[in-house]
This record gives sequence, C-alpha cells and structure tokens, in this order.
Amino acid sequence: GAVVSQHPSWVICKSGTSVKIECRSLDFQATTMFWYRQFPKQSLMLMATSNEGSKATYEQGVEKDKFLINHASLTLSTLTVTSAHPEDSSFYICSAAPATSGATDTQYFGPGTRLTVL
Amino acid sequence: AQSVTQLDSHVSVSEGTPVLLRCNYSSSYSPSLFWYVQHPNKGLQLLLKYTSAATLVKGINGFEAEFKKSETSFHLTKPSAHMSDAAEYFCAVERDSSYKLIFGSGTRLLVRP
Repeated sequence: GAVVSQHPSWVICKSGTSVKIECRSLDFQATTMFWYRQFPKQSLMLMATSNEGSKATYEQGVEKDKFLINHASLTLSTLTVTSAHPEDSSFYICSAAPATSGATDTQYFGPGTRLTVL
Repeated sequence: AQSVTQLDSHVSVSEGTPVLLRCNYSSSYSPSLFWYVQHPNKGLQLLLKYTSAATLVKGINGFEAEFKKSETSFHLTKPSAHMSDAAEYFCAVERDSSYKLIFGSGTRLLVRP
C-alpha cells in the first residue's frame, strides 16, 4: 500500500533555531501534500496545502514566513519552522495525495513529527 | 462553514462487545464525511468515507458508519471489538469540495480484555 514517511520522527531544538521536517511519499507520486498541526488531545488543524512546483497555500492565521513549505518534487515536501519558539512545539503531520486520484479519499498520512522547542 | 463534533473524548468497551463512536457534522450541503484511525506512532488510516452514495458505508476491519441527514450524524460502529481496535479515531468532513479536511477532536477507544 501507499506509504508516507516523515523525518525526523522527533526533534528537540533551542529557541530561535530553525527546524526542517521532511515528508516523503515512498511508492507513489504526490501532486498535492498537506501539512497539519496537532496539539495534545486536540484535533488536526490544516496549516497549508502544497502543490508540486508551485507556492504553498496557507490557511488563515498561519504565518507563511514562519512555516516555509517547499514541494520541489512529486515525492518530497518539506516544512521548515523558522526561528522556532516554545509555542511552536507540537505534532506536525503531513499527508500526500497520489497524482492519479482525487485528493480527498486517497490522502495518505505520515506518522508525524514531534517538535519540542526549549 | 463545515464542522464536525465528536461527542466522546474517550470510549471504553469490553472485547467482543459493540463499539459506537459518535460524530455530528454541520454543513449547508451534503458533505463528504470520513473516519480515520490513528494507532500510536502510525499515520492516520482511512477506515471509510461517505460521498453521497449509499448512506450505510462499510469500511475496513469490520467498521461501518451510517449517514443520517435528519440527525446530521455519521456514527461509527463495529459489532464486536477486538483488542487491536484500541486507538484514536477521527471523524472528518471535506471543506467546501476543496479536498481539504476538517477533523473532529478525536475519540480514544479503549478495549478491555
């Protein structure tokens, strides 16, 4: 089946540094990838939608200069949290939609990356 | 605007007994609705989806859900719980036919031996 990986699975960084999280579709090409954020005991909140070769579309209230998204290939999207602060600590999850299918019913989710900012 | 509400944050059942996880939605039109399961350290997995076809939707692992427009509900059920069903379950609605998902707050299912 379709597999989406995320790297790293867990990262701790100091306040003010930047952290890059990778999302890869391992056995399919993904035209669209989505980035979510999940706070403890809360739901997933969509942060942005990235399409291969074009700029990401950010949800209202998400700072595009703080959460840089790059979707340079059909199998890789990256989320960079710039100048991270403790309030950015969260669980970040990506999903990928295969290029040949409708996005909604065939989104495949990665296992998530837990970011802790000290 | 669409939204979903999962009525229970935790549900505990005994192995072999029925499972009911409740989800209510809000939408100005007939939406696409989904149930996902999240096991620890694993990505969300699609259990089933409703996209305006049959109102009773059968999914994987013996789960099914019924779309009830009059009650704006999309509850998830399973006749007999297994220990392996213990996980977090999320109900979701597609936003404005945009392929973007709005998730509920999740229900943690505990299965007692």
